[in-house]
Amino acid sequence: SQELEQSPQSLIVQEGKNLTINCTSSKTLYGLYWYKQKYGEGLIFLMMLQKGGEEKSHEKITAKLDEKKQQSSLHITASQPSHAGIYLCGADRGSTLGRLYFGRGTQLTVWP
Amino acid sequence: SQTIHQWPATLVQPVGSPLSLECTVEGTSNPNLYWYRQAAGRGLQLLFYSVGIGQISSEVPQNLSASRPQDRQFILSSKKLLLSDSGFYLCAWSVVLGSAGVYGYTFGSGTRLTVV
Repeated sequence: SQELEQSPQSLIVQEGKNLTINCTSSKTLYGLYWYKQKYGEGLIFLMMLQKGGEEKSHEKITAKLDEKKQQSSLHITASQPSHAGIYLCGADRGSTLGRLYFGRGTQLTVWP
Repeated sequence: SQTIHQWPATLVQPVGSPLSLECTVEGTSNPNLYWYRQAAGRGLQLLFYSVGIGQISSEVPQNLSASRPQDRQFILSSKKLLLSDSGFYLCAWSVVLGSAGVYGYTFGSGTRLTVV
């Protein structure tokens, strides 16, 4: 069963616009991972969040984990065509550390 | 450096034929190893994970099996493929980072399997 809910399922934005992808869990997250995937390729690691309230940034991508550690958001500022792809959130469960479970992903399209 | 090799990149197999996908890891010892499947319109589903040689845990009942004959080798197999086995298969490994118990995961480039 999918315990990580990602929204939206797909997103189409114009180049230069900001966007946010959300990842929600019904259970406390002990490690929240964000990956990007180009179609038919492996996963590229973006960021990992562990502590409640934590926020990390890399270039134009910022990820946050809420205080309750049940919701994370990925924000892209001034999107570019190179940001297009599938964004996946994955999480370690507290009782089963060392096993990463994923949401269904968000398909991002950026048009010039 | 730590790398993960997965092959083949694409595979077309008839229904009822056997399957063997191989994954090898370099640059690390005693990693956790994983097989994931990504079907069209679905997220990444964890199929198998292994914490050591010969130790395999299955996450979902299925037509597939996994084996770990060596520390850094993980194999996904089937005796008779079904149409529903089609998908994108990813191998991954993880190790604990530092003293906080946080795992770092690395994924292979995947195998696109089409069962016809």
